[in-house]
Amino acid sequence: GAVVSQHPSWVICKSGTSVKIECRSLDFQATTMFWYRQFPKQSLMLMATSNEGSKATYEQGVEKDKFLINHASLTLSTLTVTSAHPEDSSFYICSRDGGGFNQETQYFGPGTRLLVL
Amino acid sequence: AQSVTQLDSQVPVFEEAPVELRCNYSSSVSVYLFWYVQYPNQGLQLLLKYLSGSTLVKGINGFEAEFNKSQTSFHLRKPSVHISDTAEYFCAVSESDYKLSFGAGTTVTVRA
Repeated sequence: GAVVSQHPSWVICKSGTSVKIECRSLDFQATTMFWYRQFPKQSLMLMATSNEGSKATYEQGVEKDKFLINHASLTLSTLTVTSAHPEDSSFYICSRDGGGFNQETQYFGPGTRLLVL
Repeated sequence: AQSVTQLDSQVPVFEEAPVELRCNYSSSVSVYLFWYVQYPNQGLQLLLKYLSGSTLVKGINGFEAEFNKSQTSFHLRKPSVHISDTAEYFCAVSESDYKLSFGAGTTVTVRA
């Protein structure tokens, strides 16, 4: 069964508003979670690594003030798209690592589709 | 930094025929290799992975892949596909930091 959930599964918002996406690890306390975005017909691009109890690590070119990540507990990481614009419309997917001796393997959530009008 | 090249963007195949999806990577260090499958509007599901040891790895749904270090390849194969195998397939690589780099993906369309 699913080990990572995301909520909401899809969201439509007006330009200029902020949207929060939740990513939950259902079966494991995850100290590290990852956030990706995927444009239509394209691959996944890592946005940031979410670390429980500390600041997220952002990949080059990703605006940390635009995409706020909070990993306040071992089972929940949130991504907030602030002042969203149409170009932020995308499929956002989170993942967690397998932990322990399975740390190199990532398990993905079902994704959240964001449409900014 | 590592990179991944999936050589085929689209692979049409008839039901019950074999399929091979090609993946090459570049890295200066030891890597971990993965194949994921994505069905429409869904997240990614792990098919199989190579960490070390035997170069032939078997995964779910009858898929297997072979790691070839000299050719820096990790091609995915299935001897007989089903309609339900229609999906997007991603090859991915990570190094010691466990950050995944994905290939561009291969769309597999299985026809009856």
